[in-house]
Amino acid sequence: DVKVTQSSRYLVKRTGEKVFLECVQDMDHENMFWYRQDPGLGLRLIYFSYDVKMKEKGDIPEGYSVSREKKERFSLILESASTNQTSMYLCASSPTSTTSNQPQHFGDGTRLSIL
Amino acid sequence: AQKITQTQPGMFVQEKEAVTLDCTYDTSDQSYGLFWYKQPSSGEMIFLIYQGSYDEQNATEGRYSLNFQKARKSANLVISASQLGDSAMYFCAMRRYTGGFKTIFGAGTRLFVKA
Repeated sequence: DVKVTQSSRYLVKRTGEKVFLECVQDMDHENMFWYRQDPGLGLRLIYFSYDVKMKEKGDIPEGYSVSREKKERFSLILESASTNQTSMYLCASSPTSTTSNQPQHFGDGTRLSIL
Repeated sequence: AQKITQTQPGMFVQEKEAVTLDCTYDTSDQSYGLFWYKQPSSGEMIFLIYQGSYDEQNATEGRYSLNFQKARKSANLVISASQLGDSAMYFCAMRRYTGGFKTIFGAGTRLFVKA
């Protein structure tokens, strides 16, 4: 079965810390995504990657960076965590295929609290 | 720039009745895909239905159908014969097919089904 795994379900960090959120998929998908989900704002795209070492900014990249050294792993990095980055973070993946109707597969999410 | 708008933060529907959830989008691309996902209180994202921009017929999947009006840039989700288990958040999403499979989401609509 298709699986996207996020390393932590809950995480508590302090302001100023460097925070790493890890995501691994076992489906050999080319595309991977990081979103944050906030009430009333839906899912907002932070970064996405369509190939190893390739990354594109989403709509809210400020304060974040990403790394994709291997096809199956996509990491989100909060360079210096701030309280306004407290949120639910969702990782997703999808294939690049000629049948473009393939949906994204999501992880269970990481609820991150910055104190 | 791409944008998804869901104007209904919350909606109520009586069990066994039909309900329409609105979604409008903005894009200058000619080729794109539209998705609807359901997020129950458990938090998982469940893919419901897909519509391609070149598809001439409206998509249907069981009790779900997508009312696609390309000229008006709308992709409304219709749920027929609502069930209590349909109570959830519903997100509309749009995928572009140039420069990577960037996918953005709307703010969501919370649906409450009344017995």
